[in-house]
Amino acid sequence: NAGVMQNPRHLVRRRGQEARLRCSPVKGHSHVYWYRQLPEEGLKFMVYLQKENIIDESGMPKERFSAEFPKEGPSILRIQQVVRGDSAAYFCASSLGLFRSYNEQFFGPGTRLTVL
Amino acid sequence: ELKVEQNPLFLSMQEGKNYTIYCNYSTTSDRLYWYRQDPGKSLESLFVLLSNGAVKQEGRLMASLDTKARLSTLHITAAVHDLSATYFCAVDSPSNSGGSNYKLTFGKGTLLTVNP
Repeated sequence: NAGVMQNPRHLVRRRGQEARLRCSPVKGHSHVYWYRQLPEEGLKFMVYLQKENIIDESGMPKERFSAEFPKEGPSILRIQQVVRGDSAAYFCASSLGLFRSYNEQFFGPGTRLTVL
Repeated sequence: ELKVEQNPLFLSMQEGKNYTIYCNYSTTSDRLYWYRQDPGKSLESLFVLLSNGAVKQEGRLMASLDTKARLSTLHITAAVHDLSATYFCAVDSPSNSGGSNYKLTFGKGTLLTVNP
């Protein structure tokens, strides 16, 4: 069984470029979460998506960041006009999303973004 | 806003010794998760604690949850070098939309180093 897959694993961008991070959830999972981890920090929630819907984007910066989870294909986290402060590890997680049950999330290997 | 605090943030232990990592959180929740992260790697789920008084053990690690005190502990017994990693606790919190699934709020992590 394949777990959560993310690519690329490492991404280097120059300031002002765009970064696209991809996440394929565990097969059968329809709930996807993106988290950001700054050096020596815990993970911070960014956005929660279900197929074709953004459910909660309260952790996303208001500008330059967007996320989608289309009906077909992986979830995409897009960062436009990257700045050095965007350098971080970005983790995707997925879950079955059972109502009123615990929500164990399975994490991907992460994409480590470096902005030069 | 839910806050999760771990302590200590850094822990250096001798092999064979015992120690406890503490995780406090600020609002009512009865779902708490412990994860392990090795350097440059993703998060590995260790324990899911779902009710007051829950205790789970795996090898040299034991986790417990006291929802009244809003406290979870991760106890390490007779530490070995292989346990060296960063340990995170995370707490469920309802999404802003009130939907049926939850985002995780993480502590900053405890960097555990076990010395021979």
